[in-house]
Amino acid sequence: EVHLVESGGGLVQPGTSLRLSCAASGFTFDDYAMHWVRQVPGRGLEWVSGISWNNGVSNYADSVKGRFTISRDNARNSLYLQMQNLRTEDTALYYCVKDSYEYSSSNFENWGQGTLVSVSS
Amino acid sequence: QAGLSQPPSVSAGLGQTATLTCTGNSNIVGSGGAAWLQQHQGHPPTFLFSRNNRRPSGISERFSASRSGNIASLTITGLQTEDEADYYCSTWDSSLSTVVFGGGTKLTVL
Repeated sequence: EVHLVESGGGLVQPGTSLRLSCAASGFTFDDYAMHWVRQVPGRGLEWVSGISWNNGVSNYADSVKGRFTISRDNARNSLYLQMQNLRTEDTALYYCVKDSYEYSSSNFENWGQGTLVSVSS
Repeated sequence: QAGLSQPPSVSAGLGQTATLTCTGNSNIVGSGGAAWLQQHQGHPPTFLFSRNNRRPSGISERFSASRSGNIASLTITGLQTEDEADYYCSTWDSSLSTVVFGGGTKLTVL
C-alpha cells in the first residue's frame, strides 16, 4: 500500500524559510515523478511543483518560481520542498503526491494527508 | 498561466446521473485529456481517472470519463449520498511545462 507522510509544516513569519519533507513507502519510489500540491482550507487545489523520477526535470508554478525548490533523495525514498521568502499567500495545506509516470503527467495517483504551513506576522 | 474551467456547482437527485465538465483549450485538454479527482470535505483528494480515461482499481464503475474536443467530462450514474464531494480536473500543459487544475465542482446529491 502506498504511504506518503508529510512533515515540516508550521507557523512562520513572512520572509522566512521552511523545508517540507515527504517520506514515501509501499512502492518503488524512483520509478515515479512526485509533486507538491497545496490547498487553502475551503479553496481549490493549486499545483506547486513536480520532479521527475531521477531529479532530471523539475517544474514550478509561476507563483513559487524562484522561491521554492523541489528535490528528492531516491536512496531515502524522500521528497522535499525548500521554501524561501515565504509570503502570507503561501499559507495552505501542502500535499505530497505521487504521479503515475516517471515524468509529470498530472495523474495524481496517491496523496498524503498534508502538512499545514501558516505564514503570518 | 492557462486554466481549466469547471462549473462551481452541480446538483442531481439520488439515483440519478450527474455530468461534470472541464473545459480547456486545444493545447491542454484537446491534446492530452484531463485527469479527475474526488475530494470529500476534510480529506485528501482521491484519484478517479487518468488523463487517458483509465479508472484505477477500486473506483466504482458508476464513474466514467470521456472527452470531446476541448471538453472533458465525468459522469456519475446511480448517484449515492457518498458521491457528494468536490471534483477537480487537471492536466499537463506542455507549452508551459506546468500542471493545471480546474477550480473544482461541488456536487450536491438531492
